[in-house]
Amino acid sequence: GENVEQHPSTLSVQEGDSAVIKCTYSDSASNYFPWYKQELGKGPQLIIDIRSNVGEKKDQRIAVTLNKTAKHFSLHITETQPEDSAVYFCAATATDSWGKLQFGAGTQVVVTP
Amino acid sequence: NAGVTQTPKFRILKIGQSMTLQCTQDMNHNYMYWYRQDPGMGLKLIYYSVGAGITDKGEVPNGYNVSRSTTEDFPLRLELAAPSQTSVYFCASRTPGVGPVTEAFFGQGTRLTVV
Repeated sequence: GENVEQHPSTLSVQEGDSAVIKCTYSDSASNYFPWYKQELGKGPQLIIDIRSNVGEKKDQRIAVTLNKTAKHFSLHITETQPEDSAVYFCAATATDSWGKLQFGAGTQVVVTP
Repeated sequence: NAGVTQTPKFRILKIGQSMTLQCTQDMNHNYMYWYRQDPGMGLKLIYYSVGAGITDKGEVPNGYNVSRSTTEDFPLRLELAAPSQTSVYFCASRTPGVGPVTEAFFGQGTRLTVV
């Protein structure tokens, strides 16, 4: 089955700096890679996703890159703000997996003013 | 638009007690899922359903049961609560149909403590 590893487990950045979170996956059949943000006491919320037919996707200050050959994908947050503080999860799944997501262990991001 | 609603938000159970975690969605999603989240860990899939009357085990199904009698509801049953089931439980649903995987929507979670 799929195995997703996520690093780092914690990330502290100064406001305005960039944050990068990296994930690797094991199953070459995986073709959908979402990123979720989880604020304290809330459920995960999708912030961006990428499919295997593209290498990069951007949405304002957030971008995701995918390297299928190396089986890794990364989340980039630029110009970080205090409201970016949360736990971020990467996940992976394949079209024929009924949408079952395999999650990474999460990254606690703290943005200090 | 309520999305995915879970009840209760918090619950304390004694060892050996039973309870049902409720999950309902109003988005007409065929696919629904139950995950558990332990401290410092990612979410693990317990059970999932691809439509009314169809359920299947996920990665960590032991100690749990599910049913799916309607499209909207997907309850998770704990029959004999154990301390190892102390966790935060999330229900999720996804848009219907086959083909490219689409966004999964999550509920707010149920924090369960077994003492």
